[in-house]
Amino acid sequence: QKEVEQDPGPLSVPEGAIVSLNCTYSNSAFQYFMWYRQYSRKGPELLMYTYSSGNKEDGRFTAQVDKSSKYISLFIRDSQPSDSATYLCAINTNAGKSTFGDGTTLTVKP
Amino acid sequence: EAQVTQNPRYLITVTGKKLTVTCSQNMNHEYMSWYRQDPGLGLRQIYYSMNVEVTDKGDVPEGYKVSRKEKRNFPLILESPSPNQTSLYFCASSLSQGFQETQYFGPGTRLLVL
Repeated sequence: QKEVEQDPGPLSVPEGAIVSLNCTYSNSAFQYFMWYRQYSRKGPELLMYTYSSGNKEDGRFTAQVDKSSKYISLFIRDSQPSDSATYLCAINTNAGKSTFGDGTTLTVKP
Repeated sequence: EAQVTQNPRYLITVTGKKLTVTCSQNMNHEYMSWYRQDPGLGLRQIYYSMNVEVTDKGDVPEGYKVSRKEKRNFPLILESPSPNQTSLYFCASSLSQGFQETQYFGPGTRLLVL
């Protein structure tokens, strides 16, 4: 069983929709929770970062962590065609080990 | 400009021929890491380094070596490449392992082993 499981997708939504991307994890040692966006043929870029349970907002993006359920989510409000990309959750231990989900490919249609 | 550079960007080689992929960062970051990305498997960590002369295995270290003799450089060495190491490789760096919000990724190296 993988330590980090991500909803596989692909996901296709109309412009303006609310998008929910989800991951679960199994290792309680994980302490840092991140979401990356990766456009085709590019390296991942960090979108959101948190280390505690609860919500963290940044513009149209909200990262949610529930440590008791070992569940993390990324919500995108008012989705735009420019949000079309692959989204990767990543979870790190304090010792520097980093584990990524397999990614969810999102397409936002105009 | 703050950046992580990788060389080469594209490489075709044959089984068993030793190769090195270089990674360099100009941000004085302590933490550096190598990942490989394969279709449907996401990013998997190969090795990481918390600082000079400190390296540790990630999830898929077999067949790879790394060294960290200088803070800015973190080369990935394939002593005897095999076709199952054909992949897209990313190097990344961040200020420290506790500050992943500043992790920068390089542009990627696409490797084909025949």
